[in-house]
Amino acid sequence: DAGVTQSPTHLIKTRGQQVTLRCSPKSGHDTVSWYQQALGQGPQFIFQYYEEEERQRGNFPDRFSGHQFPNYSSELNVNALLLGDSALYLCASSYRNQPQHFGDGTRLSIL
Amino acid sequence: SQQGEEDPQALSIQEGENATMNCSYKTSINNLQWYRQNSGRGLVHLILIRSNEREKHSGRLRVTLDTSKKSSSLLITASRAADTASYFCATDPVGGGYQKVTFGTGTKLQVIP
Repeated sequence: DAGVTQSPTHLIKTRGQQVTLRCSPKSGHDTVSWYQQALGQGPQFIFQYYEEEERQRGNFPDRFSGHQFPNYSSELNVNALLLGDSALYLCASSYRNQPQHFGDGTRLSIL
Repeated sequence: SQQGEEDPQALSIQEGENATMNCSYKTSINNLQWYRQNSGRGLVHLILIRSNEREKHSGRLRVTLDTSKKSSSLLITASRAADTASYFCATDPVGGGYQKVTFGTGTKLQVIP
């Protein structure tokens, strides 16, 4: 049973570009959350998707947007990239109130 | 913003010793969770303790929760080199929304063989 998978594992972009990160949840999970983890910090909640709708959102600008597909997979889009967007982006999936399962993340570097 | 603060920020112990790390948080919570993160990897859920529980055990892990002090501790007994990782507490605040957990800043644990 595959866990949470994220792609790509690493990505290098330049300022002003746009990026799309992808996440496939663990089998049986219907909720996907995205987190940003800067180096040496704890993960910061970006948003959560359930039934293809954004259900919760953290303190992130509108440059960060997402989508959830009917098969529960999800994308995170970031527009107009800034140097400060360099981080590890983590996807977590869950079912109802069960604890979240995390993927290994996408390491995004902005030059 | 970070809801929780772990203490200490870093901890180095010999294999076989016990490791204790603490977490303090700011607002009332539904539950508190502890996660482990190996370098460059995702987080692994270790244990969840609900606000009406005071202590919970799972294998070599023991978690306590004191809601009056808004604090929790994670004890790892008989540590192993494989326990080397960063440990985070995550709180599910009351009124914060469904599973909108907030992570602390983490404790970096090094277990020396």
